[in-house]
Amino acid sequence: EDQVTQSPEALRLQEGESSSLNCSYTVSGLRGLFWYRQDPGKGPEFLFTLYSAGEEKEKERLKATLTKKESFLHITAPKPEDSATYLCAVQGSYSSASKIIFGSGTRLSIRP
Amino acid sequence: DSGVTQTPKHLITATGQRVTLRCSPRSGDLSVYWYQQSLDQGLQFLIQYYNGEERAKGNILERFSAQQFPDLHSELNLSSLELGDSALYFCASSSSPSTDTQYFGPGTRLTVL
Repeated sequence: EDQVTQSPEALRLQEGESSSLNCSYTVSGLRGLFWYRQDPGKGPEFLFTLYSAGEEKEKERLKATLTKKESFLHITAPKPEDSATYLCAVQGSYSSASKIIFGSGTRLSIRP
Repeated sequence: DSGVTQTPKHLITATGQRVTLRCSPRSGDLSVYWYQQSLDQGLQFLIQYYNGEERAKGNILERFSAQQFPDLHSELNLSSLELGDSALYFCASSSSPSTDTQYFGPGTRLTVL
């Protein structure tokens, strides 16, 4: 069964303290792995799509990487405005029109 | 602003009732996705439509149904509502039938009393 596990559940960092969020997944035939940011009471905001092991993508202070079993979201020198819940999702083989599975998220808090 | 609109913003109703949530995708997007987000279940994929046709199905209850109309807006119908259906319901859209980049709307908060 397709599964996504995110860790840690919550992470508190000091401003400027770099860290990584983990997304472990089990899926039959990865179609894509997605990272989203969600602020309280709002819809998720798309960050990255990764398609194959070894792929990396960057946006400002965020960098996403992918292996065959997990993805990392690296946050470099974070600022208080990076505080949010970060969600990881996977979709299996496109030919099966499979459903999208989300992890439970990591709540990131950056203290000034 | 993602360009995806959802109405209503808030909805309060009673158990056993039926409600309809509406979503208008971004201009030019043909795919619409529906999600349910509750505190204990996280974000759950319900269903996807592409250009009027059902494309993928997730954990959607039989009491729930959806459709996408020729003008590409979509409606999610929830019937025989139960207390456990209280949640945020999000709509998202993308330009292609594959998931890739999805743009989420602001959500409809449903409260069942």
